[in-house]
Amino acid sequence: DAGVIQSPRHEVTEMGQEVTLRCKPISGHNSLFWYRQTMMRGLELLIYFNNNVPIDDSGMPEDRFSAKMPNASFSTLKIQPSEPRDSAVYFCASSPPGSGGPHEQFFGPGTRLTVL
Amino acid sequence: SQELEQSPQSLIVQEGKNLTINCTSSKTLYGLYWYKQKYGEGLIFLMMLQKGGEEKSHEKITAKLDEKKQQSSLHITASQPSHAGIYLCGADLRGGSNYKLTFGKGTLLTVNP
Repeated sequence: DAGVIQSPRHEVTEMGQEVTLRCKPISGHNSLFWYRQTMMRGLELLIYFNNNVPIDDSGMPEDRFSAKMPNASFSTLKIQPSEPRDSAVYFCASSPPGSGGPHEQFFGPGTRLTVL
Repeated sequence: SQELEQSPQSLIVQEGKNLTINCTSSKTLYGLYWYKQKYGEGLIFLMMLQKGGEEKSHEKITAKLDEKKQQSSLHITASQPSHAGIYLCGADLRGGSNYKLTFGKGTLLTVNP
């Protein structure tokens, strides 16, 4: 069975450019999470969707960040304009209906973003 | 300051040795989750602890949550190269949340054969 799929796996871009990260959750899962991991701040939850609706976006750092989930099988995280401090590994995770907690979140392999 | 502190930040051990990783919170831990991460991969769930004094084991890995629910430890017995990776603790510090965790910065474990 395919796990959570993220693309691209690596992205190098220049400051000021728009960056779009993509995620395909596990089929049948109805919750989707975007995380960011850096050495300085560790792993942080950016936004959480349930049934394609954003439930908690309190972790989104600023207006340059936006996330969408147009359907149950696809989500994007967009940064516009990108800045060097956005360099990090971005993870997408999904969980099934009725999941009782974080132990049921399945993580993708991550996108390593470098902003020059 | 960091709400959840992990120690040590990194650890190098010889294969066969035991080791312990600690996760300490400044607040009550309503739930504590241990994960393992390999370079270039996402997190793999290991164990969940919720009750003070609770202890769980899986193969050679044992995790405990202290009675006061402010510290957890992860102990690996007779370490193997396959145990190498980054270990992260994630905590529910708010109670009632079923998805939002505060994470430690991780412990990088190297096991030399």
